[in-house]
Amino acid sequence: NAGVTQTPKFRVLKTGQSMTLLCAQDMNHEYMYWYRQDPGMGLRLIHYSVGEGTTAKGEVPDGYNVSRLKKQNFLLGLESAAPSQTSVYFCASSYSKFRLAGASSYNEQFFGPGTRLTVL
Amino acid sequence: AQKVTQAQTEISVVEKEDVTLDCVYETRDTTYYLFWYKQPPSGELVFLIRRNSFDEQNEISGRYSWNFQKSTSSFNFTITASQVVDSAVYFCALTPGEETSGSRLTFGEGTQLTVNP
Repeated sequence: NAGVTQTPKFRVLKTGQSMTLLCAQDMNHEYMYWYRQDPGMGLRLIHYSVGEGTTAKGEVPDGYNVSRLKKQNFLLGLESAAPSQTSVYFCASSYSKFRLAGASSYNEQFFGPGTRLTVL
Repeated sequence: AQKVTQAQTEISVVEKEDVTLDCVYETRDTTYYLFWYKQPPSGELVFLIRRNSFDEQNEISGRYSWNFQKSTSSFNFTITASQVVDSAVYFCALTPGEETSGSRLTFGEGTQLTVNP
């Protein structure tokens, strides 16, 4: 299994350009997530999806759009890139089911290797 | 609202020293999960441990140990006999235990651990 993969690994954009980041997972996970990581701020959730065809906003959704047309893929789009979107972007996936009260759960998120995006 | 605080921004130790990374959390949920992730210089995020709010037993895994105390809302992580390869950013994270939409993780700001030879 490849786990969670992200394409591309690096990208440089000019202000106003658009691009799409691709995340793919082969673990049959229902949930997928996009985070951004900025220095000193940890990871912040941009958008997430609880299943094919559904998406929802996270903590910092402005300036981004997402789509989940297939269960294994989660796309993050920047329609008009801004320098404030310079960041490292991480995709993650997880199962949706929990088992509580002492039994194992399956909810840990598995992360991709990240995409380093610079907007000039 | 959930919040995770890692008050230690940077820690520097000498190899073989023990080091504890602090994590304090806030949540209104009665059931929740806590995590630690490691981010080495290569940049990937590596899952270390998950703990649910029903289980306050401490856990030891090799040189790693975790101390979960609900009374103080803390989930601290100790590395015994640190090694240079332990140098990384360590993140504590929290998610609601109910199957709420998305199982979203709230991360702390991270602690940069540097282990010097």
